[in-house]
Amino acid sequence: EAQVTQNPRYLITVTGKKLTVTCSQNMNHEYMSWYRQDPGLGLRQIYYSMNVEVTDKGDVPEGYKVSRKEKRNFPLILESPSPNQTSLYFCASSRNRDRVGNEQFFGPGTRLTVL
Amino acid sequence: KQEVTQIPAALSVPEGENLVLNCSFTDSAIYNLQWFRQDPGKGLTSLLLIQSSQREQTSGRLNASLDKSSGRSTLYIAASQPGDSATYLCAVRGNAGGTSYGKLTFGQGTILTVHP
Repeated sequence: EAQVTQNPRYLITVTGKKLTVTCSQNMNHEYMSWYRQDPGLGLRQIYYSMNVEVTDKGDVPEGYKVSRKEKRNFPLILESPSPNQTSLYFCASSRNRDRVGNEQFFGPGTRLTVL
Repeated sequence: KQEVTQIPAALSVPEGENLVLNCSFTDSAIYNLQWFRQDPGKGLTSLLLIQSSQREQTSGRLNASLDKSSGRSTLYIAASQPGDSATYLCAVRGNAGGTSYGKLTFGQGTILTVHP
């Protein structure tokens, strides 16, 4: 089954404790991206990756890191989480621009609470 | 910077009505526009994607149109059903060939309630 998976689905942590949210897709997609969703602010893009070893900032990259060492994985790293990073996080993937049918497929979301 | 606006913010209709959701964007240099559905507490499900060179896409009771020059898209839902109740989001992807291609900008969404 074609899918984007995220782990963990729920996480409660404390300020300053490094954490990683994993994202994996099995569709051989070149493009992957992270978003956060907050009430009243909607979905905002954190980072994206056009392909392996190619990453770039979205609209709200501060406090986050990413890496793309393999095509299928795109982990989101919070080196020193703060309460303002409490949010619902989504990972997504799609084919790249040279192909048709490049809908974004979304993971189920990770609800993060930073105390 | 691309900005995407969706109107109305919320809509409540009786079952069976045809309805239109609106999406507007400020920068017409887009690669594509995608409509999503999000159920409470769930992820996003893609409904329709329109490439910048296209005018409309249809899937079942859904029809999405795109007028790139005026920065507008509409999602038409025919014969609405209670199961259509969800939040509908539109998102635009930056133009190919530029630095904005990888960026996806979302609207705030329209919360749709279809009551029996």
